[in-house]
Amino acid sequence: QVQLQESGPGLVKPSETLSLTCTISGDSISTYYWSWVRQPPGQGLEWIAYIYYNGNTNYNPSLKSRVTISVDTSKNQISLRLSSVTAADTAIYYCARAGPVATGYFTFWGQGILVTVSS
Amino acid sequence: DIVMTQSPDSLAVSLGERATINCKSSQSVLYTPNNQNYLAWYQQKPGQPPKPLIYWASTRESGVPDRFSGSGSGTDFTLTISSLQAEDVAIYYCQQYYSALPYTFGQGTKLEI
Repeated sequence: QVQLQESGPGLVKPSETLSLTCTISGDSISTYYWSWVRQPPGQGLEWIAYIYYNGNTNYNPSLKSRVTISVDTSKNQISLRLSSVTAADTAIYYCARAGPVATGYFTFWGQGILVTVSS
Repeated sequence: DIVMTQSPDSLAVSLGERATINCKSSQSVLYTPNNQNYLAWYQQKPGQPPKPLIYWASTRESGVPDRFSGSGSGTDFTLTISSLQAEDVAIYYCQQYYSALPYTFGQGTKLEI
């Protein structure tokens, strides 16, 4: 069974860079598209970016200038970096697998990690 | 962006009754070459990630009870729960995956008993 586990700091200071990792088990990272989706506390869902194992990426235009998504196939991991964070970036960050139906349909999700931006 | 608008924002339905949630997209999510609507529905319970329920607007995910059904085409879609069970209390989101610039979700509909 596919398992996705997000990890990283739960607290980030304003203006700094948020860095998260998603470790994938029970599946090959080379088969599907992998996304990050976030959800501010008590609010809705926002897609951030996706990546394919060959490095093909796509970003939400609203975040593109601050976001980098990357893949490490040797570790079966994807990573997210979000720079110049503010309180508005406080959210639960989910790692999600898309496919095989479509690159934007998310069939498996991690449990999520709450990241708070605060000094 | 394709804006997804759900209605209502919240809904209270009695056990065993029908629940209907609507979702409207700001532009069509029907891809005519394959005649598929790039529209999905998710269920999210407190403290849990979203769970996929329906894709291609009307195809149930494996293991999803048949009381859940999706319908609609183009810009107007509906999620119907035919006979509400206690475990269906959740927030439901629609999502378009027609355009990755960006993929977008509705604001969510809170379903209560």
